[in-house]
Amino acid sequence: GQSLEQPSEVTAVEGAIVQINCTYQTSGFYGLSWYQQHDGGAPTFLSYNALDGLEETGRFSSFLSRSDSYGYLLLQELQMKDSASYFCAVSSGYSTLTFGKGTMLLVSP
Amino acid sequence: NAGVTQTPKFRVLKTGQSMTLLCAQDMNHEYMYWYRQDPGMGLRLIHYSVGEGTTAKGEVPDGYNVSRLKKQNFLLGLESAAPSQTSVYFCASSFRLGSAYEQFFGPGTRLTVL
Repeated sequence: GQSLEQPSEVTAVEGAIVQINCTYQTSGFYGLSWYQQHDGGAPTFLSYNALDGLEETGRFSSFLSRSDSYGYLLLQELQMKDSASYFCAVSSGYSTLTFGKGTMLLVSP
Repeated sequence: NAGVTQTPKFRVLKTGQSMTLLCAQDMNHEYMYWYRQDPGMGLRLIHYSVGEGTTAKGEVPDGYNVSRLKKQNFLLGLESAAPSQTSVYFCASSFRLGSAYEQFFGPGTRLTVL
């Protein structure tokens, strides 16, 4: 089976940088995805890493180390609107994702 | 494009009642999914479909049935609702084989079973 671990909550202030970690155990691995979900809303896709290294998309970056079964999402220049839950998810096959339990990010002024 | 839509948005059922949740997508995606989300539990896969006429079980399939008679629609059925099925249900879709990492979600259905 698969298991993913991520912190339940992270707090930061506007303008700061925050890193949300994700460690995983899976029988097969194709890649690590990140999703954002605002309270009461639908999850939306942020990024995907299939290979080791850093992927940058604007203020958000995602990192993967396959050898360490570890990844993180880095959010820079935090804004109030970044307050949301963030989920990591592993692809262990071509068809489905397994999601972590989510990290609630609280951004304060 | 409407993307992924779900009907209804809210529903209250009594124990033992049945209902069907409808998911529709207009992006010509091959893959469709049904998840449930409970507080502190993340998203758990109930059933999924890799194409019209196919379905497969996910992590938590018990108590649910699904059908994919048309490519654009994916139905989730509860034959005899139980309070443990109180949850938020999300439908999602992805383009094709190998693209499951990027899924497009509907707005969710909030179901309460009394």
